[in-house]
Amino acid sequence: AQKVTQAQTEISVVEKEDVTLDCVYETRDTTYYLFWYKQPPSGELVFLIRRNSFDEQNEISGRYSWNFQKSTSSFNFTITASQVVDSAVYFCALSEFSTGGFKTIFGAGTRLFVKA
Amino acid sequence: DSGVTQTPKHLITATGQRVTLRCSPRSGDLSVYWYQQSLDQGLQFLIQYYNGEERAKGNILERFSAQQFPDLHSELNLSSLELGDSALYFCASSSTSGGASYLSNTQYFGPGTRLTVL
Repeated sequence: AQKVTQAQTEISVVEKEDVTLDCVYETRDTTYYLFWYKQPPSGELVFLIRRNSFDEQNEISGRYSWNFQKSTSSFNFTITASQVVDSAVYFCALSEFSTGGFKTIFGAGTRLFVKA
Repeated sequence: DSGVTQTPKHLITATGQRVTLRCSPRSGDLSVYWYQQSLDQGLQFLIQYYNGEERAKGNILERFSAQQFPDLHSELNLSSLELGDSALYFCASSSTSGGASYLSNTQYFGPGTRLTVL
């Protein structure tokens, strides 16, 4: 069965610190997608990254980087030199193809507080 | 702005009532997904439609139903509402159903409809 675990409920850092948000997933499928979304206080869900199960390359986008390791079923997200605007809830999600469509399960989210 | 629109933004109703939430996907997207976000259950996938057909079903209650119309907009119908149905309902869209294409299924979310059941 699908499962996504974000063990960190809340993280508080001071601006300019680096922070890593952990995501561990469970799936029996060999083909799946992993996502990270950001939900700022305004409430909308903002897509950050998609990674498919065949691509284990790490990715860097500005201050954001992602470390995908199939061996440990983890897809961790690091923010370098955090800023106050990074304060949000971050969700990791897993999508599996099922009966013609995608079922997506989200982790419980990690609330990040970045203090000035 | 994701390009996905949802109406209404807020909805307040009473237990036992029925409501309809509306979603317009991004231009060109054929798939629509519905999610419920509540304090108790977190973000839960409800259902996916692709070009008018149901494609995947998640934790959707029997009191809830959805459809996607020929113009690709979608409606989520919630009936016999209970206090526990109070939540933020998100719609998302993507360009594919996720079938043979492994390159997509990036879902772009609308702003959500906040439903309060009193």
